[in-house]
Amino acid sequence: DAGVTQSPTHLIKTRGQQVTLRCSPISGHKSVSWYQQVLGQGPQFIFQYYEKEERGRGNFPDRFSARQFPNYSSELNVNALLLGDSALYLCASSFGPGQGSSSYEQYFGPGTRLTVT
Amino acid sequence: AQTVTQSQPEMSVQEAETVTLSCTYDTSENNYYLFWYKQPPSRQMILVIRQEAYKQQNATENRFSVNFQKAAKSFSLKISDSQLGDTAMYFCAFMSAGGYQKVTFGTGTKLQVIP
Repeated sequence: DAGVTQSPTHLIKTRGQQVTLRCSPISGHKSVSWYQQVLGQGPQFIFQYYEKEERGRGNFPDRFSARQFPNYSSELNVNALLLGDSALYLCASSFGPGQGSSSYEQYFGPGTRLTVT
Repeated sequence: AQTVTQSQPEMSVQEAETVTLSCTYDTSENNYYLFWYKQPPSRQMILVIRQEAYKQQNATENRFSVNFQKAAKSFSLKISDSQLGDTAMYFCAFMSAGGYQKVTFGTGTKLQVIP
């Protein structure tokens, strides 16, 4: 079975630009979460989407937004990019709450490396 | 808010030996999940092992086992018969059983397995 996929792999943007990152969950998973991992640190939670609705949001500015589509894939958008947004952006999928004994296990994609210059 | 602390930034172990990675966490909740994730240089985050807080029995997955001490809020990972492929960053992580599925990660321990 295919795992979580993310695109693009790498991205270079200029300050002030906007970026869209994409994620496809594991087949059967209905929940997608986004994390930001700055070099040398652990991932930080940005959003969780379940059944196309935002279920949780981390401590990130409104420049960060996301959505989930009917096929459960997801996009993360970041507007007005800052140098500090340079990071590895990870997507994770799970079955979602109340979907069985392993519904809480999150499986991560390979990430998108975003560089802002 | 929950916090996860990994006090060992780097560790090394000889191939075939055993190593233990430490993790402590802070929470006021009673029901939660704990995880160890592995992130090799290829950067793909891989779930190594998980523990439900309501289970007293320590989780085991092949060469990986945990020592879960709920009262002490401690969750260490033991890797037996270390292999070169175990070289990676290891992250301890916490998730509440209620609410949304936010995972809180520690800062990681970089493990180097020496041939």
